Amino acid sequence: DAGVIQSPRHEVTEMGQEVTLRCKPISGHDYLFWYRQTMMRGLELLIYFNNNVPIDDSGMPEDRFSAKMPNASFSTLKIQPSEPRDSAVYFCASSFGSNEQFFGPGTRLTVL
Amino acid sequence: KQEVTQIPAALSVPEGENLVLNCSFTDSAIYNLQWFRQDPGKGLTSLLLIQSSQREQTSGRLNASLDKSSGRSTLYIAASQPGDSATYLCAVSGYNFNKFYFGSGTKLNVKP
Repeated sequence: DAGVIQSPRHEVTEMGQEVTLRCKPISGHDYLFWYRQTMMRGLELLIYFNNNVPIDDSGMPEDRFSAKMPNASFSTLKIQPSEPRDSAVYFCASSFGSNEQFFGPGTRLTVL
Repeated sequence: KQEVTQIPAALSVPEGENLVLNCSFTDSAIYNLQWFRQDPGKGLTSLLLIQSSQREQTSGRLNASLDKSSGRSTLYIAASQPGDSATYLCAVSGYNFNKFYFGSGTKLNVKP
């Protein structure tokens, strides 16, 4: 298996622009997670899905952030409009049930 | 809210030493505890998952133990190698078994 796949790996954008991050989980996994990692706050869970349904989005910082999972093999995290404080590394992870989580390589987002 | 602490924040040891990394958590009602390693600029790699009913898990030179009553876990690395240099993260989940709370990590440097 190729593992969790994320795209793009790097994204540089200007404040106010829309940003879309993409994730393909490991085939057969029924949970998908979006995390954000910064120096100041460490690794934080933003939202997670079970069988394509959002279960807990309490970590989503504000209404500018939205996430979707239209099918079992694809999810997006969208930021609109983006702000400099959104600059971080965004990770997608997946798991089967309560088993260990597997992380993707991350997307490094820089908002100028 | 669960708080996870990892001490020390950084550790430097000569090659060949056995070492212990510590993780403590405030709420002992955990479901899972997972240890990860993160290499610079990369995603997280799962090392070991300990379920709440277990006391320890072993994989190769790694051994992780869990003491729920005291709110502590340790990761023991035997015969350390330069390739072990990375940041090690501990994460715990509670009744919501898929919602992990992460520590800030221990940055390990193994000197040749």
